[in-house]
Amino acid sequence: DGGITQSPKYLFRKEGQNVTLSCEQNLNHDAMYWYRQDPGQGLRLIYYSQIVNDFQKGDIAEGYSVSREKKESFPLTVTSAQKNPTAFYLCASRFPGQMNTEAFFGQGTRLTVV
Amino acid sequence: GQSLEQPSEVTAVEGAIVQINCTYQTSGFYGLSWYQQHDGGAPTFLSYNALDGLEETGRFSSFLSRSDSYGYLLLQELQMKDSASYFCAARRDYGGSQGNLIFGKGTKLSVKP
Repeated sequence: DGGITQSPKYLFRKEGQNVTLSCEQNLNHDAMYWYRQDPGQGLRLIYYSQIVNDFQKGDIAEGYSVSREKKESFPLTVTSAQKNPTAFYLCASRFPGQMNTEAFFGQGTRLTVV
Repeated sequence: GQSLEQPSEVTAVEGAIVQINCTYQTSGFYGLSWYQQHDGGAPTFLSYNALDGLEETGRFSSFLSRSDSYGYLLLQELQMKDSASYFCAARRDYGGSQGNLIFGKGTKLSVKP
């Protein structure tokens, strides 16, 4: 079955540590996205990638980094520079055609700093 | 700036009809989408309006008016399982790029018996 998979579902991090969240899709989508969701804040865009080996900063990229070495994979690293990393992180993908705004989301990773 | 505004909460009773509004400000507007998210889950796509007018999909309908920069999601015959957050979303362009998706802050719908 085609889909988008995020792992792990829950992640605990000590202050000062970098952690990497995995996102893999087998939908053959070119575009992939990372969003952060906080209570009452909706989905805020961290980074996005329209094609392999290319990615762009979103609205809240500070303290995060990404790579896009393969079409299927778009991992997100939360670095120690991110001041308030505790949140629900969602990865999404879609075909980047102009008229298509249907995105498919993974089940999310809930990151907690301890 | 580029943004989508929607009410934070709506409450309705089972069997009723509820409308969730969304006003937007985006450049290079290509249409408005709606997503549903249950607590702790992933957002799922509900509908997309590229043109003005009403799109109907079962109990859900979505409307767009480009001239008013406004859209809404209409849920009929409400069921308890419709209790969730609903997000409007739009494509935002950056010059010659393909653009990305931005979301409103979401409307939490509570359906009461």
